[in-house]
Amino acid sequence: AQSVAQPEDQVNVAEGNPLTVKCTYSVSGNPYLFWYVQYPNRGLQFLLKYITGDNLVKGSYGFEAEFNKSQTSFHLKKPSALVSDSALYFCAVRDKMDTGRRALTFGSGTRLQVQP
Amino acid sequence: DVKVTQSSRYLVKRTGEKVFLECVQDMDHENMFWYRQDPGLGLRLIYFSYDVKMKEKGDIPEGYSVSREKKERFSLILESASTNQTSMYLCASRDRYEQYFGPGTRLTVT
Repeated sequence: AQSVAQPEDQVNVAEGNPLTVKCTYSVSGNPYLFWYVQYPNRGLQFLLKYITGDNLVKGSYGFEAEFNKSQTSFHLKKPSALVSDSALYFCAVRDKMDTGRRALTFGSGTRLQVQP
Repeated sequence: DVKVTQSSRYLVKRTGEKVFLECVQDMDHENMFWYRQDPGLGLRLIYFSYDVKMKEKGDIPEGYSVSREKKERFSLILESASTNQTSMYLCASRDRYEQYFGPGTRLTVT
């Protein structure tokens, strides 16, 4: 079975400060890892993914995430937060060896609030 | 760009009604999915389909069924809507790695 934990329901950060949104995962084999963002009353938009290779992955809107296999983590980061980054962020995982389920498993989401 | 469309953004139905939610993708993806999203629970998989007429139950299939008669279209059916099915419903299709989501349908059952 695969699972994702996002330990923080909400993260508050001041504009211009660095932000981190935490994610840990559990899979039987090796993971594909994803971050998605959701703005109010919208679907999910893809931010970035880790498939293989470099542990530091860069994505849209200046976001990046670091894959840490020993800690089974994939935290989302941005060096300088913008008010417009305020949204709901989801981490997701799929086991590379999974040929049955085929779907991503999502965390419960973390609401990011960036204060001006 | 991949495009996933859903037939309605907002829907209000009465308890006991049969409800159809339609999803269409334009990238010839084999895999399609229906999720529901509820606050604090994230996205939960209802059903998925890996080919025409092929379907598999996800984590919460009770009260739902699906239909995939054409590759581009994946329908979610609530046979007899209940108030606990009030939720945001998200459709997705997938290429080799990434899932692409539609805008969602916010369904209210009264």
